[in-house]
Amino acid sequence: DTAVSQTPKYLVTQMGNDKSIKCEQNLGHDTMYWYKQDSKKFLKIMFSYNNKELIINETVPNRFSPKSPDKAHLNLHINSLELGDSAVYFCACGRRGSQTDTQYFGPGTRLTVL
Amino acid sequence: DQQVKQNSPSLSVQEGRISILNCDYTNSMFDYFLWYKKYPAEGPTFLISISSIKDKNEDGRFTVFLNKSAKHLSLHIVPSQPGDSAVYFCAASVTSGTYKYIFGTGTRLKVLA
Repeated sequence: DTAVSQTPKYLVTQMGNDKSIKCEQNLGHDTMYWYKQDSKKFLKIMFSYNNKELIINETVPNRFSPKSPDKAHLNLHINSLELGDSAVYFCACGRRGSQTDTQYFGPGTRLTVL
Repeated sequence: DQQVKQNSPSLSVQEGRISILNCDYTNSMFDYFLWYKKYPAEGPTFLISISSIKDKNEDGRFTVFLNKSAKHLSLHIVPSQPGDSAVYFCAASVTSGTYKYIFGTGTRLKVLA
């Protein structure tokens, strides 16, 4: 049973479209994250939600909007897609407040904007 | 400003020998460090971590060393196996506040049979 799952795994779309990526975790962790890995392989945090509350927002364009309907889900909605949004997006979860917090990652969603 | 750096983009090692992957950081507030392993088309998987109160942590074939004065950590894999071939990321965080991970750019390890 997959701990952190993302759908879709691949997403190819045209510039200007709106798309969503879904993430679900079954580890019971209270914190979820979205990371972006760009073409240079930098893995950089975008957002973090703790108990459905936004706690990290890393200067991401407001075309990106995370939505957390409950503690087990953190979806990423992207409006007006641009070429530079092409990347691999990873969802992760962890337990905030633990001195030995470890984040567990999903398999990634490769987004290609044409 | 890249706070966590992995200066070797790739490393090749013979099977059975030791692999040493290095990571440097600049922020002295970091107090928790992790290594992740990533295979193609998969997400990073946790490998081993170390708190700043320690200078070494060992788990089977994997050992992480932390040198706080040099702001340097390393991952030793011994003996290296072909299945260890992957990209290895180090990450650092401050265990108060947002618990944000800062990742290095990764080192691609190839273990030759």
